[in-house]
This record gives sequence, structure tokens and C-alpha cells, in this order.
Amino acid sequence: AQTVTQSQPEMSVQEAETVTLSCTYDTSESDYYLFWYKQPPSRQMILVIRQEAYKQQNATENRFSVNFQKAAKSFSLKISDSQLGDAAMYFCAYRSALKQAGTALIFGKGTTLSVSS
Amino acid sequence: KAGVTQTPRYLIKTRGQQVTLSCSPISGHRSVSWYQQTPGQGLQFLFEYFSETQRNKGNFPGRFSGRQFSNSRSEMNVSTLELGDSALYLCASSYSGTETGELFFGEGSRLTVL
Repeated sequence: AQTVTQSQPEMSVQEAETVTLSCTYDTSESDYYLFWYKQPPSRQMILVIRQEAYKQQNATENRFSVNFQKAAKSFSLKISDSQLGDAAMYFCAYRSALKQAGTALIFGKGTTLSVSS
Repeated sequence: KAGVTQTPRYLIKTRGQQVTLSCSPISGHRSVSWYQQTPGQGLQFLFEYFSETQRNKGNFPGRFSGRQFSNSRSEMNVSTLELGDSALYLCASSYSGTETGELFFGEGSRLTVL
């Protein structure tokens, strides 16, 4: 069974600074997808960034980028130029590429990010 | 475009009762999945429905069930409620579930079991 581990329950960052959230996962599959989701205090989860395992290039979305190390099974999220609105809980998630798995996501326990001015 | 809508947003039940939660996906989305979120266990996958058929199921007891209607709206039911069922139940939708795109989540239904 696949597992996702986020070892940092809480992180803090100053506005305009950079912060990196860690995520490791365990799987025997070779094809899969990885995601970072953000859950603000209002609780609606939104996608931050996604990475296909077959792509070697790290995904980037504006101020958000990932460091995907497939061999090490590591998938960290870097937030540059942090803003107050980035304060939220961040979840790392794994999704199998097998058709029978559907859209089922396996989530890590989350990292609560606080941003101070 | 309206987002994923979950009702009710909050509800309180007592042990032994049953509860039904509703989820209306984004228009055009045919895949609906459900997750349970608790402080202790985190986010756990319950099940996914596509075109009225359960496509995948997580590791939950049979007290947890769901269904999907022809208009893609979905309901989940929990029977014989236990204190441990207190949680935020999240619904998520996607177009077909086979693309690699994002899941769109609702704001959740907060269930408290007394």
C-alpha cells in the first residue's frame, strides 16, 4: 500500500521569504501523480501544483515549485515570496495511475503554514 | 460556474442514528469522491462514484455507503453512528476521473456525533 509522510506538522515563514514543505512517499508503482493541495481556514481544498511521475522536469506554478526526486521518493513544495494569503494547511497527496484506482488520493497528515508580516 | 456544493454544512447526531450527506458536483463533472477528515487520521478516501457506479472504495466499514444519481449528484450515508464518526466529510468532483487534472472540493459537511 502506498503511504505519504509529511514530517513537519507546522512551519512558519515571514512575508516575502521562501519556505519549503517536505513530503516523502512510498510506492512500488512506477507511474503515478503527486499533488500539493492547500486548505485555508474556510476548509475548501484547492490544488496548488501537480507532478506526473514520468516527467523529470519539476512543476512550477507562479510562486510555487516542487523538487521531485523520484528515486528518493521525495516531493517537496517551495513557496517563494510568501504572502499572508498563503497561510493554510498544505497536504501532499499521491494518486496511482492505474485505471482501477480512479481518482483516489492518499494524503499526508498535512503541514500548517503560518505567515507573519 | 458553481462549485461543488455540500449539504448540510453542519449537523449534530447521537450515537446509533444514521445520517445522509449530499454533494452536487460541478456541472458536467461525472466523478464524485468522498473523503473523511479527522484530526487523528487525517484525510481518508471513502469511495468514488462515476456514472452511478462505485469505481473504488476505501477501507471503511459497511456502515458507510454511498450512491450517485443520473444527474451526478451523490449522497453518502452512515448508519449506526459512532462517536468516532465525528469528522469533516469532503466531497470532490472531476470531469471523468481518468484525466490527471485536479479534484474540485466542496467546503465539507461537519458531522458531530454525541
